[in-house]
Amino acid sequence: AQSVSQHNHHVILSEAASLELGCNYSYGGTVNLFWYVQYPGQHLQLLLKYFSGDPLVKGIKGFEAEFIKSKFSFNLRKPSVQWSDTAEYFCAVGFSGTYKYIFGTGTRLKVLA
Amino acid sequence: GAGVSQSPSNKVTEKGKDVELRCDPISGHTALYWYRQSLGQGLEFLIYFQGNSAPDKSGLPSDRFSAERTGGSVSTLTIQRTQQEDSAVYLCASSFSGRDYNEQFFGPGTRLTVL
Repeated sequence: AQSVSQHNHHVILSEAASLELGCNYSYGGTVNLFWYVQYPGQHLQLLLKYFSGDPLVKGIKGFEAEFIKSKFSFNLRKPSVQWSDTAEYFCAVGFSGTYKYIFGTGTRLKVLA
Repeated sequence: GAGVSQSPSNKVTEKGKDVELRCDPISGHTALYWYRQSLGQGLEFLIYFQGNSAPDKSGLPSDRFSAERTGGSVSTLTIQRTQQEDSAVYLCASSFSGRDYNEQFFGPGTRLTVL
């Protein structure tokens, strides 16, 4: 069955630390990959997405993610986090030819000033 | 409107009562999704509408849950005989079409508390 795993449920970092949040999925076919972010009191919004081409994608606010097909992974990275990055981050996978998305359980990131 | 809107933003109800949650998608978006967000559970898919096609109800957790979408626009999620385990944030999202490569735009959610 298709599934999405986010291994880090809670992450606490100091400002300027580097961030990497893991996302793995299980599916043998073509996928489209997303990271969404939910800042405190705000809607879920798209951070970045991968459909095809360069497996390293860049999103808003200095975030990037790399699709490694052999590892079924789409990890989110940021070289230097800011206090304003405190939020919950969700990985989502869309399965080719369908409309269904599966979301991970989310990672709560807290950045200490 | 400029974004997806949902109402009410908060709903407190007593166990056994029925509730209706409303979603107004972005104009022109043909696909509409309902999700349930519970603490530590991520986003749980409930139901999907695409244009005038029959909805995919495969994610509805029980027959107490139903949803409709009138005129291909506004959608209402109804929960009958609410239970405490129904307490969650209910999110609506819309996208330009239902294809997997389309970004979903989310509403602010309705926080449902069943006492």
